Amino acid sequence: QVQLVESGGGVVQPGRSLRLSCAASGFTFSSFGMHWVRQAPGKGLEWVAVIWYDGSNKVYADSVKGRFTISRDNSKNTLYLQMSSLRAEDTAVYFCARDISGMIDCWGQGTLVTVSS
Amino acid sequence: EIVMTQSPATLSVSPGERAALSCRASQSVSSNLAWYQQKPGQAPRLLIYGASTRATGIPARFSGSGSGTEFTLTINSLQSEDFAVYYCQQYNNWPYTFGQGTKLEIK
Repeated sequence: QVQLVESGGGVVQPGRSLRLSCAASGFTFSSFGMHWVRQAPGKGLEWVAVIWYDGSNKVYADSVKGRFTISRDNSKNTLYLQMSSLRAEDTAVYFCARDISGMIDCWGQGTLVTVSS
Repeated sequence: EIVMTQSPATLSVSPGERAALSCRASQSVSSNLAWYQQKPGQAPRLLIYGASTRATGIPARFSGSGSGTEFTLTINSLQSEDFAVYYCQQYNNWPYTFGQGTKLEIK
């Protein structure tokens, strides 16, 4: 079955960097676009970024543009989110998710990132 | 960016009754709208896509309607497991955007 497992979350100081990973299994990873979506504690969902199936195109939310970079390694079935210049407002659970023609059909369980001094 | 507005913020309904959740887009998103259900501590689950098509394994008591800027998620004969938070999401324009959610609670 489709499985998405995020890792790499933790506590980080403001201004520092962190890289999240998402290991995919149970489907042909290289055939699907992938998203990162986040959810601040007690808040709603916020779309963060998407990458095309082959990595040829990427789109970012304005709130993270220039600070976050989405990437993928199709040989390792892994999605990444490199986060830099982190701010307190980036504190959230980060979900990786699979794209099917725009909607998100499968989600990981998420990894918590806490930005705090 | 397209703003998605859900109403009401909280909806109290008794088990066995029907719930209607609303989602409005600030500009047309055609039928490129999805609904998700999220329970505490869990990832969201896709319910509806294309405004009205149920995702795989979703019970028939869930239905979606609408196009353009006005959408509705209807849940008939509410079951205990249906009480959760529901989000709409447009995927017609970048950046994709979610509504703020409607919490469906037991009356």
